[in-house]
Amino acid sequence: EAGVTQSPTHLIKTRGQQATLRCSPISGHTSVYWYQQALGLGLQFLLWYDEGEERNRGNFPPRFSGRQFPNYSSELNVNALELEDSALYLCASSTGTSGGGDEQFFGPGTRLTVL
Amino acid sequence: GESVGLHLPTLSVQEGDNSIINCAYSNSASDYFIWYKQESGKGPQFIIDIRSNMDKRQGQRVTVLLNKTVKHLSLQIAATQPGDSAVYFCAENGGGTSYGKLTFGQGTILTVHP
Repeated sequence: EAGVTQSPTHLIKTRGQQATLRCSPISGHTSVYWYQQALGLGLQFLLWYDEGEERNRGNFPPRFSGRQFPNYSSELNVNALELEDSALYLCASSTGTSGGGDEQFFGPGTRLTVL
Repeated sequence: GESVGLHLPTLSVQEGDNSIINCAYSNSASDYFIWYKQESGKGPQFIIDIRSNMDKRQGQRVTVLLNKTVKHLSLQIAATQPGDSAVYFCAENGGGTSYGKLTFGQGTILTVHP
């Protein structure tokens, strides 16, 4: 069974540009979560999508947004990129059967570098 | 606010020793806890989880202990191997408005010497 996949692996942007990161969950999983892991810091929760709807959001500005498609894949968009947005962006998925309180499986991440 | 922290940022052990990684959490409403292992260049890998109605859970070579009285979580790794070298994160699911959101600790670097 394929795990969570993310694309691209690496992404280089300049300040002010927009970045789009993609995630495909494990087959059968309906919940997708996004986390930011900045260098030297732990994982910070960004967004949770389930059945196409945003269910919860972390303490990030509105320029971090996303969506979940009918096939449960998800996209994270970061507008007006700032240097401090450079980080590893991790996507996770779960079955969603516990309403968000179940095991989250992580993908390998997308390394975003803002110059 | 919610926070999950670790007592020790680094831990070095000899191969074959048992390792114990500790974690403190502050949200008494948290009902689900997970330990993840993250190797360099990879995403976090699930190790073991525990719900708040339990105080101990065992897996293969790993045991998680939960002490709700003092809001403490620990991960025990038996017969630690060089392949166990990684960063270990504890995470909690706080429930309520935090549901679906895992709050992670800063991580403990485990180094296993052959």
